[in-house]
Amino acid sequence: TQLLEQSPQFLSIQEGENLTVYCNSSSVFSSLQWYRQEPGEGPVLLVTVVTGGEVKKLKRLTFQFGDARKDSSLHITAAQPGDTGLYLCAGVEWNAGKSTFGDGTTLTVKP
Amino acid sequence: DAGITQSPRYKITETGRQVTLMCHQTWSHSYMFWYRQDLGHGLRLIYYSAAADITDKGEVPDGYVVSRSKTENFPLTLESATRSQTSVYFCASRGQVNTEAFFGQGTRLTVV
Repeated sequence: TQLLEQSPQFLSIQEGENLTVYCNSSSVFSSLQWYRQEPGEGPVLLVTVVTGGEVKKLKRLTFQFGDARKDSSLHITAAQPGDTGLYLCAGVEWNAGKSTFGDGTTLTVKP
Repeated sequence: DAGITQSPRYKITETGRQVTLMCHQTWSHSYMFWYRQDLGHGLRLIYYSAAADITDKGEVPDGYVVSRSKTENFPLTLESATRSQTSVYFCASRGQVNTEAFFGQGTRLTVV
């Protein structure tokens, strides 16, 4: 079983601060995806990174895929209370199309 | 309605009973998945399917059975429910390998 380790597990910060969430694996995945989950809902995709070294920006969110395609990071600039939620990284396997999820990072942004 | 729907949303059952959770998607996606989510954990894969009549075990398959006779449906059955199977269950589908996985709203199952 391929494992993904996410850190930190919990993060509580003030509005306006910056933060980084990490996702690490000993395995290589076809792609790495980041999802955000609200209470009582299913996860919703934020981004997919496919190429080693790839950087994608989504407004205040910056996603990076490691050169070796085993790790990824999510950086949020000037966090807002609306960013509060559970952030999950997921590695997609080459042939099976299935995703392995990390345990998630629960982010709380206080006004 | 277009999308992926799960039923029921909430279910309470007794230990030892058989329970079936339903999942239906309208996109004709090839891949479908069942995950469970427990407090303090992310999503753990129970079973997945790459196409109709093709299913395979995930990380935590014990005590569960799936079938996929039609592309759009992927029911999950707990043959004899146990308290350890109390969890929130999510069904998901995706069209191709690196594309977005779309999730249902989840089924909160409590086994008493």
